[in-house]
Amino acid sequence: IAGITQAPTSQILAAGRRMTLRCTQDMRHNAMYWYRQDLGLGLRLIHYSNTAGTTGKGEVPDGYSVSRANTDDFPLTLASAVPSQTSVYFCASRDTSRGTEAFFGQGTRLTVV
Amino acid sequence: AQTVTQSQPEMSVQEAETVTLSCTYDTSESDYYLFWYKQPPSRQMILVIRQEAYKQQNATENRFSVNFQKAAKSFSLKISDSQLGDAAMYFCAYRNLLGSTSGSRLTFGEGTQLTVNP
Repeated sequence: IAGITQAPTSQILAAGRRMTLRCTQDMRHNAMYWYRQDLGLGLRLIHYSNTAGTTGKGEVPDGYSVSRANTDDFPLTLASAVPSQTSVYFCASRDTSRGTEAFFGQGTRLTVV
Repeated sequence: AQTVTQSQPEMSVQEAETVTLSCTYDTSESDYYLFWYKQPPSRQMILVIRQEAYKQQNATENRFSVNFQKAAKSFSLKISDSQLGDAAMYFCAYRNLLGSTSGSRLTFGEGTQLTVNP
């Protein structure tokens, strides 16, 4: 692992199914973020975590949940997927104490049918 | 809440020419950061340039430069000597200073798709 890794790269999911998008970073960054990217809307923040054990809601949190049990992992769960959750999802991390900028994962393309 | 607006969904430029991408934002903060990110077809998010609001001097990175107008809340990106590899989606983004209650998140604009014609 080098940097920040997301899995899977892409997924087709039936509506109503539960899905967890994985995000792992090996940079010991304290802050992590989940964004969704939709054409014409840019990237919008779903949830964030400033440090292990804490999470916060972003701009579009409905239908999504996150956990931050440790520094490295920040999974995003769709409890019951709906077609409007079809999107490209990006995980990002940042070391806020050092003032570094965010590193992004390669994205997960999710299609809910 | 902060907002970022990119009013140009698509732009095109001839190879070796110069193009300017526009971005405006709204905030009540006096100190913050502004960014331009590039997203090629690979989907990778690449930081192009960063501007601190408290610096009056416009940031430059090789062929990329910005025109930062704080009073007008405008932050445009100029790409000089455009190359085929510059073709990508470009996002303007805003971030509060470290320690703000928003969790220092990035707020993105809608994006501008840049095409470079040979």
